[in-house]
Amino acid sequence: ELKVEQNPLFLSMQEGKNYTIYCNYSTTSDRLYWYRQDPGKSLESLFVLLSNGAVKQEGRLMASLDTKARLSTLHITAAVHDLSATYFCAVDLTGTASKLTFGTGTRLQVTL
Amino acid sequence: GAVVSQHPSRVICKSGTSVKIECRSLDFQATTMFWYRQFPKQSLMLMATSNEGSKATYEQGVEKDKFLINHASLTLSTLTVTSAHPEDSSFYICSARPSGRIQETQYFGPGTRLLVL
Repeated sequence: ELKVEQNPLFLSMQEGKNYTIYCNYSTTSDRLYWYRQDPGKSLESLFVLLSNGAVKQEGRLMASLDTKARLSTLHITAAVHDLSATYFCAVDLTGTASKLTFGTGTRLQVTL
Repeated sequence: GAVVSQHPSRVICKSGTSVKIECRSLDFQATTMFWYRQFPKQSLMLMATSNEGSKATYEQGVEKDKFLINHASLTLSTLTVTSAHPEDSSFYICSARPSGRIQETQYFGPGTRLLVL
């Protein structure tokens, strides 16, 4: 059974600081997704990582995928308050964007 | 592009009644749609995969007679929670995977919050 774990579960950080969220998964996969969820809202797609070594950046967020280590990271650079949200990674074992298994989620709080 | 809608966004019902939630892909066709459930402060759990023109595939532990799924067209899937009880109260989110393209991702709807009294 695929397990997807995120670390940390909760992160409080000051504006301007850098930090990394980790997503570990237990079964080989080369497809991983990152999403953002605001309170009471649905998911907003952030990144789609489709191969080993994939790196994508958008604004202050950068995601990478290491399929050999079964690890993805979401790096936050110079955090701002607007980044406060819950971040989920999701792993796709099928290779066809089916049956996503979501991580535990990381609740990020950026303080002024 | 790639917009998915859900209706209703919020519903309150009495215990024992049935509730239907619609999921529509607005600007693309989707042979496959997915239904997820999220309890407060928890992650999303896949409930079932909805396939146009055929029966849905349910995940282990999900009662197919309680959560009826119909995918009658390439743009619409419905989830009916039958004889709802308070423990069915949750946030239900659908997603759709575009047909006929490289299958890279799912597009998520805005969610439906169900409260059963």
